[in-house]
Amino acid sequence: DIQLTQSPSFLSASVGDRVNFTCRASQDISNFLAWYQQKPGKAPKVLIYGASILQSGAPSRFSGSGSGTEFTLAISSLQPEDFATYYCQQLNRSPFTFGPGTRVDIK
Amino acid sequence: QVQLQESGPGLVKTSETLSLTCSVSGYSISSGYSWAWIRQPPGKGLEYVGSVYHSGATYNPSLKSRVTISMDTSKNQFSLEVNSVTAADTAVYYCARISTTGDRRRFDPWGQGIWVTVSS
Repeated sequence: DIQLTQSPSFLSASVGDRVNFTCRASQDISNFLAWYQQKPGKAPKVLIYGASILQSGAPSRFSGSGSGTEFTLAISSLQPEDFATYYCQQLNRSPFTFGPGTRVDIK
Repeated sequence: QVQLQESGPGLVKTSETLSLTCSVSGYSISSGYSWAWIRQPPGKGLEYVGSVYHSGATYNPSLKSRVTISMDTSKNQFSLEVNSVTAADTAVYYCARISTTGDRRRFDPWGQGIWVTVSS
């Protein structure tokens, strides 16, 4: 199976901050990577797929980059509704594994 | 607008079989795409369980021997069965469509999730 690691596991930030999180894959997954946002008690929602393609309806302050084994999700200006947990997922090869998540809390 | 809704018992006894159904509206599952199950134990991350498509199913090896996913195109539903359950199978179970644009996949949309507790 392809393993994903995410860093940091926890991030404390303020409204208006620019934040970045990293996802690393245990082997080359090209750009078959998606990012999801999950709020407590809710299903995850896709933000980015194909490593850098913004999902229709997702705010433009979210952006993704990377290929191969290292990927980044950036939020250009953190908004109150962005405090959540973010997961990456590889869709290169089944099983389509998820990373352990990065939780973003209000500082 | 495609919508998914999970249904099934919220409590299953240890060693028995967990059975869930995902009802799809706004899209005919016989028209294409793959359809997935994902679970999330309490306080933990997401785990891919497996997925089904018109020609078969694929499973997470960590669960493969206990899991069956099937489609019922006449009801526009797909189902999950996990046998010989233990407390470790307690989780929120989600269903989702594996959407594809070109060769780029993502899980979208998702159902709201259903909480399943395994207890003796």
